[in-house]
Amino acid sequence: AQKITQTQPGMFVQEKEAVTLDCTYDTSDPSYGLFWYKQPSSGEMIFLIYQGSYDQQNATEGRYSLNFQKARKSANLVISASQLGDSAMYFCACENQAGTALIFGKGTTLSVSS
Amino acid sequence: DTAVSQTPKYLVTQMGNDKSIKCEQNLGHDTMYWYKQDSKKFLKIMFSYNNKELIINETVPNRFSPKSPDKAHLNLHINSLELGDSAVYFCASSHSSRGRDEKLFFGSGTQLSVL
Repeated sequence: AQKITQTQPGMFVQEKEAVTLDCTYDTSDPSYGLFWYKQPSSGEMIFLIYQGSYDQQNATEGRYSLNFQKARKSANLVISASQLGDSAMYFCACENQAGTALIFGKGTTLSVSS
Repeated sequence: DTAVSQTPKYLVTQMGNDKSIKCEQNLGHDTMYWYKQDSKKFLKIMFSYNNKELIINETVPNRFSPKSPDKAHLNLHINSLELGDSAVYFCASSHSSRGRDEKLFFGSGTQLSVL
């Protein structure tokens, strides 16, 4: 069964620095997608970035990029030039085995300080 | 306009009561979901509907019953509420039920507290 592992319960970073949030996944599907969501303290779930397993390049969206290493089954989120507003919980996700829903990791709490 | 809206945002109730949470999406999506986020922030799929048809029904107590009157609405009814039902319930939608790049659009969540 598909599984997402986020091993960092909490990360701390200074403003303007880059930070990497780790995500490893376990899937037997040859084709799959990986997602990152942000959940600030206000509670909403915000989509950040998507990476397809057959995408030739690592995904980027503004200050967010994915360090996708298929052989290692890792899809780490890199946030460049951290801002105070980046303080939130971050979830990595992939499709379930049937491809009919997303399953989520346990999340990583990011705290950005000035 | 809010893409996925769910009501109420907060729901405080006594054990044993029956309550409903409503969800509506105006994105024209075919698929809608209910997720439960527990006190440790773990998100778990409960149900999904594709065009009013039940697709996923995870191991959820049968006190939870989803209802989809049309593809834009998916409501969640909970009977005989228990303390362990306290959580945040998220409604979400996606363009279709299958597809490797089907990102989910989430509602703002309903914080359910059972006393």
